[in-house]
Amino acid sequence: DQQVKQNSPSLSVQEGRISILNCDYTNSMFDYFLWYKKYPAEGPTFLISISSIKDKNEDGRFTVFLNKSAKHLSLHIVPSQPGDSAVYFCAAGGIYYGGSQGNLIFGKGTKLSVKP
Amino acid sequence: DSGVTQTPKHLITATGQRVTLRCSPRSGDLSVYWYQQSLDQGLQFLIQYYNGEERAKGNILERFSAQQFPDLHSELNLSSLELGDSALYFCASSVTGGGYGYTFGSGTRLTVV
Repeated sequence: DQQVKQNSPSLSVQEGRISILNCDYTNSMFDYFLWYKKYPAEGPTFLISISSIKDKNEDGRFTVFLNKSAKHLSLHIVPSQPGDSAVYFCAAGGIYYGGSQGNLIFGKGTKLSVKP
Repeated sequence: DSGVTQTPKHLITATGQRVTLRCSPRSGDLSVYWYQQSLDQGLQFLIQYYNGEERAKGNILERFSAQQFPDLHSELNLSSLELGDSALYFCASSVTGGGYGYTFGSGTRLTVV
């Protein structure tokens, strides 16, 4: 049972345009969500997070939106740059979702390609 | 350099063998997490340790075990290896048992032949 789903394995956008990466989750007990970025031959690196009490969090070119009623979150990158080309993982966690605090559940990732 | 050190970076071994993967967490981090990334799969949570104690178990096979030592480094032991165990194994650490701010190592790529 996949609790965190990223239904698009890949996404290609032009440099300067907006990249929108989507993520759906099934467990309403998750209380925070994170995005990680992964380059080849490296471990995932933390990008941005959002608590379930918010619906938007912004950090520079990166904005995460959370729609709790739809159990959906998205990552917007504006403007997209070639250096943003990587695999992006959505992750969710919480104290009471059934796991332990700190145990993150990851999606399968979306490979973003930003073309010059 | 994330501060989380995983060794070895690459490992090739035969079916039926046993290997040990090592992780040194970032300085000051008490919690260590192990994840497996197989082909076309996301990061699958295996096990978490906090200050030497097992905190949570995920989809970890009985053939796999882990421990966290007093100096907080952790080892993941994989035994009776099968071809399907070929994967990237990541270790992550955090200050507390909370999930914010996981820092991942660069992983160990295990190939079972």
